[in-house]
Amino acid sequence: GENVEQHPSTLSVQEGDSAVIKCTYSDSASNYFPWYKQELGKRPQLIIDIRSNVGEKKDQRIAVTLNKTAKHFSLHITETQPEDSAVYFCAERPLEFKAAGNKLTFGGGTRVLVKP
Amino acid sequence: EPEVTQTPSHQVTQMGQEVILRCVPISNHLYFYWYRQILGQKVEFLVSFYNNEISEKSEIFDDQFSVERPDGSNFTLKIRSTKLEDSAMYFCASSEVLLAHGELFFGEGSRLTVL
Repeated sequence: GENVEQHPSTLSVQEGDSAVIKCTYSDSASNYFPWYKQELGKRPQLIIDIRSNVGEKKDQRIAVTLNKTAKHFSLHITETQPEDSAVYFCAERPLEFKAAGNKLTFGGGTRVLVKP
Repeated sequence: EPEVTQTPSHQVTQMGQEVILRCVPISNHLYFYWYRQILGQKVEFLVSFYNNEISEKSEIFDDQFSVERPDGSNFTLKIRSTKLEDSAMYFCASSEVLLAHGELFFGEGSRLTVL
């Protein structure tokens, strides 16, 4: 079945430090792994995603790593800033080119607090 | 920048009443979804819709729920007889292509409170 475990549930870091969030998944068919940021009362917004043909992807201060053998992927935020404070959700989706069955399964979320 | 729009932003209803949540997906998108998020919890998939029919639904999406695309722009979620546990934020979403090839865009959400 599809299940995504996300840790930690809360993370408090000092401004300028790094934050790392980890997710594990159970569906070996999963090949697409997006990360969403949700600010309080707002919609989730995609910040970065990775597909199984790469092991790491970076976009400025944000990076994602993927270990398909171990079935886990991680979000790394470097040089954290107060505006990085939000809830972050990992998600997974099997890469199947078909019209039906097109959904994301989300992790439980990590509440990140960046202290100035 | 085009975005998914939802109405109402907040609805309060009595248990047992019918509720319709409305969404206007991004205009050139082909795939439509409803997700829900109970306060403080994760985002949960309800249903996906493509080519004028449901393509997948979760166990949450029971007979009390239905979706419809009544015209070329609106996508609605109906809850026939609301229960207390239906209280949540309901997010409509759309994507231009299959998710692994393109981004899922969420609306701002409709907060449903069932009393």
